Amino acid sequence: GENVEQHPSTLSVQEGDSAVIKCTYSDSASNYFPWYKQELGKGPQLIIDIRSNVGEKKDQRIAVTLNKTAKHFSLHITETQPEDSAVYFCAASSPNGQNFVFGPGTRLSVLP
Amino acid sequence: NAGVTQTPKFRVLKTGQSMTLLCAQDMNHEYMYWYRQDPGMGLRLIHYSVGEGTTAKGEVPDGYNVSRLKKQNFLLGLESAAPSQTSVYFCASSYSNRNTEAFFGQGTRLTVV
Repeated sequence: GENVEQHPSTLSVQEGDSAVIKCTYSDSASNYFPWYKQELGKGPQLIIDIRSNVGEKKDQRIAVTLNKTAKHFSLHITETQPEDSAVYFCAASSPNGQNFVFGPGTRLSVLP
Repeated sequence: NAGVTQTPKFRVLKTGQSMTLLCAQDMNHEYMYWYRQDPGMGLRLIHYSVGEGTTAKGEVPDGYNVSRLKKQNFLLGLESAAPSQTSVYFCASSYSNRNTEAFFGQGTRLTVV
């Protein structure tokens, strides 16, 4: 089955700097890669996603890149703000497309 | 709209007790999921459902049962709770099988002593 790895597990950046989180997946049949943000005491919430027919997608300060050949995808946050502090999860669709496999998460801290 | 609602939000069980976690969604979603979240391990899929009356096993199904008698509800049961089932449980739903966004509930923190 699908396996998703995520690095780093923790990341601290200064406010205004950029943050990058990287994920790799194992099953070449995966074709959908969402990113979720989880704030303390809340459920995860989708912030951006990308499908396998696209190499890059951007939404204001957030961007995601996908390299299908290498089977890795990355989340880029520019001009970080304190409210970006949270746990971020990457995920990949399962081979049957019916559910998702999540990475272990990255705890991002944006220092003022 | 409430989205995805989980009941209860917190619960403490003694080893061997049983309980049912309720998940309700008001978005007319076909797909529903139960995940558990443990430190350093992300979200692991317990069971899921692709429509009313259907259920399927996920990555970590042992010790849990589920039912989807109504489209809007997905129940997760623990027949005989064990300390290893101490976790935060999240329910989620999504519209279709075309890899669309999953909407999560607020979570249920379960402690088994």
